[in-house]
Amino acid sequence: DIQVTQSPSSLSASVGDRVTITCRASQIISSRLNWYQQKSGTAPKLLIFAASGLQSGVPSRFSGSESGTNFTLTISSLQPEDFATYYCQQTFSPFLSFGGGTKVDIK
Amino acid sequence: QVQLQESGPGQVKPSETLSLNCAVSGYSINNGYYWGWIRQSPGKGLEWLGSIYHSGNTYYNPSLKSRVTISVDTSRNQFSLKLTSVTAADTSIYFCAACIRSQDFWFDPWGQGILVTVSS
Repeated sequence: DIQVTQSPSSLSASVGDRVTITCRASQIISSRLNWYQQKSGTAPKLLIFAASGLQSGVPSRFSGSESGTNFTLTISSLQPEDFATYYCQQTFSPFLSFGGGTKVDIK
Repeated sequence: QVQLQESGPGQVKPSETLSLNCAVSGYSINNGYYWGWIRQSPGKGLEWLGSIYHSGNTYYNPSLKSRVTISVDTSRNQFSLKLTSVTAADTSIYFCAACIRSQDFWFDPWGQGILVTVSS
């Protein structure tokens, strides 16, 4: 099975901060890494697909990058509506897996 | 616009079988690439349960061993989840989700989720 290790598990930040969340895959997964945002009580929402593709309707302050088995989600300037939990997901293997999540809250 | 809606009992007794359906609207289930079930225990992260492909192939989370079955009902344009021998640890919000195109490898859209509590 392919494991994805997400860090940090939580972080506190202020509006306007630059925020970075990382996922490390246990093997090469060829850009098959997606990022979702989940707000309390709602279904996850796709933000970034295939490591760096911005989903339609998602603000451009969100971006994704890839370096080997390391993947990064960056929020360039945190906005009040961005306080949520973020998950990465690998889809290289048909046995899918999610990272453990990163909760972003207000400092 | 593709929309998904979960349905099923909100409470299941321990040792019984949890059965959920996911109705697909705005799209033919025959045309989708794969369909999946994901759950989230209270206060925890997302856990992929399994997926069923257009080809009929199924893949399940190994941690659930042989308790999970996913199937498609094309006549009702829906897919289903069965989880046998449930315990309190299976209490979760259950989401269905879709990967619509074969060139895509992500879940979008998702259903709103349904809370299932395992309790006698």
